[in-house]
Amino acid sequence: QQQVKQSPQSLIVQKGGISIINCAYENTAFDYFPWYQQFPGKGPALLIAIRPDVSEKKEGRFTISFNKSAKQFSLHIMDSQPGDSATYFCAASMNSGYSTLTFGKGTMLLVSP
Amino acid sequence: DAGVIQSPRHEVTEMGQEVTLRCKPISGHDYLFWYRQTMMRGLELLIYFNNNVPIDDSGMPEDRFSAKMPNASFSTLKIQPSEPRDSAVYFCASSFFSEGGEAFFGQGTRLTVV
Repeated sequence: QQQVKQSPQSLIVQKGGISIINCAYENTAFDYFPWYQQFPGKGPALLIAIRPDVSEKKEGRFTISFNKSAKQFSLHIMDSQPGDSATYFCAASMNSGYSTLTFGKGTMLLVSP
Repeated sequence: DAGVIQSPRHEVTEMGQEVTLRCKPISGHDYLFWYRQTMMRGLELLIYFNNNVPIDDSGMPEDRFSAKMPNASFSTLKIQPSEPRDSAVYFCASSFFSEGGEAFFGQGTRLTVV
């Protein structure tokens, strides 16, 4: 099963709040889990990525939490800002990223001022 | 480097016409990917190349779609004949065989077939 399931489809968060986006996968061969951020009219851009040898990775206000046994991973955006309003895609691939990415369907995040 | 460059940014064409989308990957990258983005299906991989050679085209929806990469700095995606259901944003991405596997995306071509 190559599918990556992402939720929610859309999310509205107050400025300063925490945004949480969840993804689940079936293929246990996946071993690279990036998150991409896409602004309107732009292509997706890598935000942060994790490999299954760690349970959490933090970069600034962005944190990935990874649960290998549950086959789930999530993106947390702390102190959400209006500039974070974008569409976020989780993805997964095999061979440490040396293969094609399977994307979730995306979450449209709106951070209200 | 200017990043992945796609042209045109927008294309409106009539059903039945041939459409050609163009992509210039980042210099030195050895993988090139074509994706299609729609609201219903999200980001779908259509085809990818490694060192200019097509590796997997199983995502190409129909024989009306074809892609070429004649050299390391240029690729095309052609639809002939185009149909209204082909309307989508088409992205080209490139990457380098290195730790991380990050794919760099172009800004996309918004195709509308009327």
